[in-house]
Amino acid sequence: AQSVTQLGSHVSVSEGALVLLRCNYSSSVPPYLFWYVQYPNQGLQLLLKYTSAATLVKGINGFEAEFKKSETSFHLTKPSAHMSDAAEYFCAVSGGMVQGAQKLVFGQGTRLTINP
Amino acid sequence: NAGVTQTPKFRVLKTGQSMTLLCAQDMNHEYMYWYRQDPGMGLRLIHYSVGEGTTAKGEVPDGYNVSRLKKQNFLLGLESAAPSQTSVYFCASSYHGTGSGYTFGSGTRLTVV
Repeated sequence: AQSVTQLGSHVSVSEGALVLLRCNYSSSVPPYLFWYVQYPNQGLQLLLKYTSAATLVKGINGFEAEFKKSETSFHLTKPSAHMSDAAEYFCAVSGGMVQGAQKLVFGQGTRLTINP
Repeated sequence: NAGVTQTPKFRVLKTGQSMTLLCAQDMNHEYMYWYRQDPGMGLRLIHYSVGEGTTAKGEVPDGYNVSRLKKQNFLLGLESAAPSQTSVYFCASSYHGTGSGYTFGSGTRLTVV
């Protein structure tokens, strides 16, 4: 079975500051890991994904995440926050291509606020 | 491409009423999913389908039924709505499992009074 824990339901940073959103996962099989972003009153958009290739994954809008197996983590970072980054971010895990484990399990979400 | 389209976008139901939420995708995806989103709980899987004519239960299936008669459509039904079903419902689809990520619809906001 898979599960995800996002540390911090609300993160606030200043414009231009580093963004760090934390995600820890649990999986009984080699996982696939994802970050999604949700803007107000919209659906979720894929930011980036890890599917067992490079451990440092680059996504859209300047975000990246690093898969650390020893720490069971997949934290999302962006060097310099922009006002347009304000949104809710979801980390998700699946059991990769293991039959029956292909469903995404989501964390509870982290709301990112950017202060001018 | 329209992607994943959900109808309706908003609905208010009285307790005990029934309704069907429609999800349509035009990407020829095999897999389709219904999630509900509640504050502080992320997204929880209700039901999913791995192909036309197949459905399976997710994490929170009670009170819901689904059908996938056509590959492009995935219907979510509430037979007798309850206030606990007040939520935002998202449909998603993927080509084959999760490797390519999901494409989400814009959601249906349902209130049961």
